[in-house]
Amino acid sequence: DARVTQTPRHKVTEMGQEVTMRCQPILGHNTVFWYRQTMMQGLELLAYFRNRAPLDDSGMPKDRFSAEMPDATLATLKIQPSEPRDSAVYFCASGPGASGAYNEQFFGPGTRLTVL
Amino acid sequence: GNSVTQMEGPVTLSEEAFLTINCTYTATGYPSLFWYVQYPGEGLQLLLKATKADDKGSNKGFEATYRKETTSFHLEKGSVQVSDSAVYFCALSTYTGNQFYFGTGTSLTVIP
Repeated sequence: DARVTQTPRHKVTEMGQEVTMRCQPILGHNTVFWYRQTMMQGLELLAYFRNRAPLDDSGMPKDRFSAEMPDATLATLKIQPSEPRDSAVYFCASGPGASGAYNEQFFGPGTRLTVL
Repeated sequence: GNSVTQMEGPVTLSEEAFLTINCTYTATGYPSLFWYVQYPGEGLQLLLKATKADDKGSNKGFEATYRKETTSFHLEKGSVQVSDSAVYFCALSTYTGNQFYFGTGTSLTVIP
C-alpha cells in the first residue's frame, strides 16, 4: 500500500533554531506539494514541484523558508530561523501530475511543529 | 482564477441525519473536483472525485455530483454515523494536475 511518509511526526524546538522536515513521495509520482495547516489560516499551499523542479513557492516566506527536492524520493522543507508563528502542522502530498481519472493528491500524515 | 468556496462550519448532526455540505467553485478551463476528509490527527484523504460535468463521485455512502451549470459539487450523505465526524474539504484541480485549490474545510460532528 503506497503512502507518502513524513519525518519527524512531531517536532518541538526553540525560537531561532533550524527545522528540517522530510517527505518521501509515492514512488512514480512527479508532483510534490507542501502545505501548512493552522486553526486560523486553514490549509495553505507553500510550494510545489513537478519533476523535482519548483513550479511555485509564492506561498512561502522567502526569508526563512526553503523547499528542495534533492532527488525523486526526497523532498525537504527547511525553516531557518524558526519563529513561534511557524507552529503548525506541515503536510506533504504527492500526485501523478496527470489529468482526468488519474488526477489526485495523496497526503502524508503531517509534521506537527511547535516553536517555543 | 481558480477557487473553491464551501459552507462554513461547524456542523453538528444527530446520528442518521441527512448531511449536505455545499461547495461552489470558479475555474479556468475544465477542472476535476474532489472531496477530501481529515480525521483528527491525520492527513487529508480522498473521499470521492469527479472529473467531468454530470459525473457523480461516491464512496462510503457519500455522494457529490459535478454540476457545471451551477458550478457546484455539494457533498451529501443520507444517514451519517458518529464515525463520520471529521473535517471535509472541497477541492478542484487544474487539467494538468499541477495544482490543487482547497476550500477552508467544514467541521462535522455527529452525536449519538
